[in-house]
Amino acid sequence: DGGITQSPKYLFRKEGQNVTLSCEQNLNHDAMYWYRQDPGQGLRLIYYSQIVNDFQKGDIAEGYSVSREKKESFPLTVTSAQKNPTAFYLCASSLGQVSTDTQYFGPGTRLTVL
Amino acid sequence: AQSVAQPEDQVNVAEGNPLTVKCTYSVSGNPYLFWYVQYPNRGLQFLLKYITGDNLVKGSYGFEAEFNKSQTSFHLKKPSALVSDSALYFCAVRDLTGGGNKLTFGTGTQLKVEL
Repeated sequence: DGGITQSPKYLFRKEGQNVTLSCEQNLNHDAMYWYRQDPGQGLRLIYYSQIVNDFQKGDIAEGYSVSREKKESFPLTVTSAQKNPTAFYLCASSLGQVSTDTQYFGPGTRLTVL
Repeated sequence: AQSVAQPEDQVNVAEGNPLTVKCTYSVSGNPYLFWYVQYPNRGLQFLLKYITGDNLVKGSYGFEAEFNKSQTSFHLKKPSALVSDSALYFCAVRDLTGGGNKLTFGTGTQLKVEL
């Protein structure tokens, strides 16, 4: 898990509510990522950011939003438009945009919609 | 599009025996391949990666992986399994489509090491 922290560890949300998941890193990495993990489906990329004040949609961005105002922080908001938000959410970071850079992961946040 | 396949949902092995977790890939261009391990309710831990060079890559916790270009495979191996190796293992490939440093993951293989 290294220098990447995610909070909270568990999060419960009522239908129709927006929630924000926190991701902070102290590794001085430029690039940060959000993945969603569902049983039997591996990890799927939601959003990624290669540099401060810039981010791109991943494969499943609908119903999610992000911001990257600081190098250390990449919060993910799960909006009420996300039809099936119950999942395990993983944040990752890498040194930069070089294709050989390793991504390092945080401990994850488990979101449950009640 | 880049993709990886992990053909086995679960692998069972006895402690002390060698283990292999299989991964095949499909990429356009040079393959950059990664293995990660996940323990229950935890994040992913990096084990090793293949970028270029020797086909046998050594990583953390005694794991290694063999890159085979002709078979488009990148199987994870360990000479002697431990009960503590029981976990979920993911193979991933660097996805360069659209720019950026993205990973495409396989669906994971559950490894169970029994006494």
